[in-house]
Amino acid sequence: NAGVMQNPRHLVRRRGQEARLRCSPMKGHSHVYWYRQLPEEGLKFMVYLQKENIIDESGMPKERFSAEFPKEGPSILRIQQVVRGDSAAYFCASSPPTGRNTIYFGEGSWLTVV
Amino acid sequence: QKEVEQDPGPLSVPEGAIVSLNCTYSNSAFQYFMWYRQYSRKGPELLMYTYSSGNKEDGRFTAQVDKSSKYISLFIRDSQPSDSATYLCAMVHGTSYDKVIFGPGTSLSVIP
Repeated sequence: NAGVMQNPRHLVRRRGQEARLRCSPMKGHSHVYWYRQLPEEGLKFMVYLQKENIIDESGMPKERFSAEFPKEGPSILRIQQVVRGDSAAYFCASSPPTGRNTIYFGEGSWLTVV
Repeated sequence: QKEVEQDPGPLSVPEGAIVSLNCTYSNSAFQYFMWYRQYSRKGPELLMYTYSSGNKEDGRFTAQVDKSSKYISLFIRDSQPSDSATYLCAMVHGTSYDKVIFGPGTSLSVIP
């Protein structure tokens, strides 16, 4: 399967713990996007990364959230000191160096904060 | 005003009906337009992609863009129960580096 791979698919964290979500883009894709989807809401842009570079993080909350896409390995979305309001589906998408206007999504990571 | 607005639904139609899903947008800088389909608890799946005003057809799906009215539509012919999903319109400004903005989605149910 050469699609966008996300893990874990489901994650349960207690309030105050850290959540780490991982995303491996499609083969040949160099751009990664993270979106958050709350119940009954649409996809909200969080951050857009290229390897070793954050292109646009205008949708990231100012505190507790960070993202990286290192030269080697998957992209990581990190949420520190999680709160109940962080419970959501987090989707990663990727696009190739050209044709960046079409993005392809993974199956998502569902975070539940208890 | 939100950048991208979409008919909220939910929309329920009988099998075989023609479905029309619509989005409006406020920023004339949007140049590329997409439709995604999302089944429950799954990632969005790209259905159609277009960048020019007019119609683009792919099987039972037709995407229509009217840039002068800032209005896009997705038509589904001969709708099937398997088309039951949430449909998301999406658009991009078209610069070299830019994020994709999504509408809130329309939930569609096709009743057998």
